[in-house]
Amino acid sequence: DAGVIQSPRHEVTEMGQEVTLRCKPISGHDYLFWYRQTMMRGLELLIYFNNNVPIDDSGMPEDRFSAKMPNASFSTLKIQPSEPRDSAVYFCASSPHRGRATDTQYFGPGTRLTVL
Amino acid sequence: AQKITQTQPGMFVQEKEAVTLDCTYDTSDQSYGLFWYKQPSSGEMIFLIYQGSYDEQNATEGRYSLNFQKARKSANLVISASQLGDSAMYFCATFHSGGYNKLIFGAGTRLAVHP
Repeated sequence: DAGVIQSPRHEVTEMGQEVTLRCKPISGHDYLFWYRQTMMRGLELLIYFNNNVPIDDSGMPEDRFSAKMPNASFSTLKIQPSEPRDSAVYFCASSPHRGRATDTQYFGPGTRLTVL
Repeated sequence: AQKITQTQPGMFVQEKEAVTLDCTYDTSDQSYGLFWYKQPSSGEMIFLIYQGSYDEQNATEGRYSLNFQKARKSANLVISASQLGDSAMYFCATFHSGGYNKLIFGAGTRLAVHP
């Protein structure tokens, strides 16, 4: 079975440029999550969707960050304009919805973003 | 608020020996889940094992098992017969209060397996 797919795996860009990260969740999973991992702050949840609808975006750091999920098999995380402090590994994860404590989240391979 | 504490920044183990990675949690929920993930140097997050708060038996998954002590609020990961490929960061996680969606993670433990 295909796991969560993310692209690109690595992205190097210059400050001020727009960055778009992409994610394809596991088929049949109702929830999609975007996380960011840095040395200073560890793993942080940025936003999550249920059935393509954003439910909680309280972790999105600034208005420069936006996320969309136009359909059940695709989501994007956009940073515009990017800044050096956005450099991190961005993970997408998905989980099935049973509304129980067994709802395991499966992570994609991550996108390593470097903003120069 | 929910909190995960991993007190061991780094651990060493000899190949083929067993190792225990500590995790303590703080939650006000009656029903909760505890997860362990592995992050090798390649960067991906790999789900290892899950323990439910109402599960009477400790979870096991191959060489991984959970030493779940509810009264002490601990869910330690035990890796038996360590292999070189077990060298990685290990994260303990649970859900944020009131739901089964938002995961919160501990700071992680870096495990090094020596030949």
